[in-house]
Amino acid sequence: GQQLNQSPQSMFIQEGEDVSMNCTSSSIFNTWLWYKQDPGEGPVLLIALYKAGELTSNGRLTAQFGTTRKDSFLNISASIPSDVGIYFCAGPQRGSTLGRLYFGRGTQLTVWP
Amino acid sequence: NAGVTQTPKFQVLKTGQSMTLQCAQDMNHNSMYWYRQDPGMGLRLIYYSASEGTTDKGEVPNGYNVSRLNKREFSLRLESAAPSQTSVYFCASSFGTGIGTDTQYFGPGTRLTVL
Repeated sequence: GQQLNQSPQSMFIQEGEDVSMNCTSSSIFNTWLWYKQDPGEGPVLLIALYKAGELTSNGRLTAQFGTTRKDSFLNISASIPSDVGIYFCAGPQRGSTLGRLYFGRGTQLTVWP
Repeated sequence: NAGVTQTPKFQVLKTGQSMTLQCAQDMNHNSMYWYRQDPGMGLRLIYYSASEGTTDKGEVPNGYNVSRLNKREFSLRLESAAPSQTSVYFCASSFGTGIGTDTQYFGPGTRLTVL
């Protein structure tokens, strides 16, 4: 299957700081998805990216589809305690018409007040 | 509108026991999925059902069977549980547009421990 590498694996930051994380793949993706998983819950879609170079925001979150189509970035500005959770990048299997997703291993974010 | 519901929330089994994890969605979605999540591993697809009446293997199907009972329900069965199947299991559903960008909605998960 396709490999998605996320970094960093974990982050410990203070409230108010900005956060950056990224995801790289071994092959070209046509779509990048960013999910957040709150403790004890299932993942929830945050942002979807469909074109190389695309920059999309959702409140304090901004994600970019890398120009090489092999990477994507997620930034969180002015972090708050409720940003705590695991952030996953994901993308559909190449050539898939069935919505099958591959997930990165996640970035665990901890925010100290 | 409950979205995706899963039962049970927690389960402890002994090696060799069997059980069925239940999943239901009320969003009139066509496609449904079962994932497992292990620490530091992200989510891995076990089985999926693109539409009612069809099921296909995902990335890690060994040791599992599924049934798409109707459009709403998709169950995952462990016939003979093994400790390696200790994990958190998530069910998801999507409208199923036939495009690989179809948004998937996840249930709250079932935490399974096999002793």
